[in-house]
Amino acid sequence: NAGVTQTPKFQVLKTGQSMTLQCAQDMNHNSMYWYRQDPGMGLRLIYYSASEGTTDKGEVPNGYNVSRLNKREFSLRLESAAPSQTSVYFCASSQNPTGGRVLLNYGYTFGSGTRLTVV
Amino acid sequence: GESVGLHLPTLSVQEGDNSIINCAYSNSASDYFIWYKQESGKGPQFIIDIRSNMDKRQGQRVTVLLNKTVKHLSLQIAATQPGDSAVYFCAENIPNTNAGKSTFGDGTTLTVKP
Repeated sequence: NAGVTQTPKFQVLKTGQSMTLQCAQDMNHNSMYWYRQDPGMGLRLIYYSASEGTTDKGEVPNGYNVSRLNKREFSLRLESAAPSQTSVYFCASSQNPTGGRVLLNYGYTFGSGTRLTVV
Repeated sequence: GESVGLHLPTLSVQEGDNSIINCAYSNSASDYFIWYKQESGKGPQFIIDIRSNMDKRQGQRVTVLLNKTVKHLSLQIAATQPGDSAVYFCAENIPNTNAGKSTFGDGTTLTVKP
């Protein structure tokens, strides 16, 4: 089925360990995003990639890095995990319109999430 | 049943009733708005969207209303079913200037009683 695939689904890390969350989409979308979801705080944008070859910081980028490997794949790396990074992480993609066109139905397609615990 | 205000996080309705979930957005420059549904243990799922040049849009059993004057968005669900129980998020974005980034509200939990 077409969509956004995230791996792993669950992960437990010790403080200071590193890991990479993988995300791939097969919808030929140009834009990809990483969000974290914490109880009572909704979804907060970590990093995004408007198009292949570009990445930009979102609202809460500290402690993370990203790589837009190609049009399909957008990975999120924690270099030195901290307990404050315990969260559920969602990758999303969308076909972001360009050129001032007025369009509908280009909301995000989300992956199923990665539940990360840092102890 | 209806949720009101910025931070009423839960709404409980009887099966078959209509539900109204409200959302106040923050940026007057936002020109695109989306409602998502998130079931337990899953990622958010797109429900319906609306552009700022519209004030109403209908889908299957759902209607989104936009009032730009007071920066208010609502999602109406007709004949609410148990399968509608979920957390509902509104999101706003400025697609042509912010790479389509969405800013999400905190969400409203809808519980449907049989």
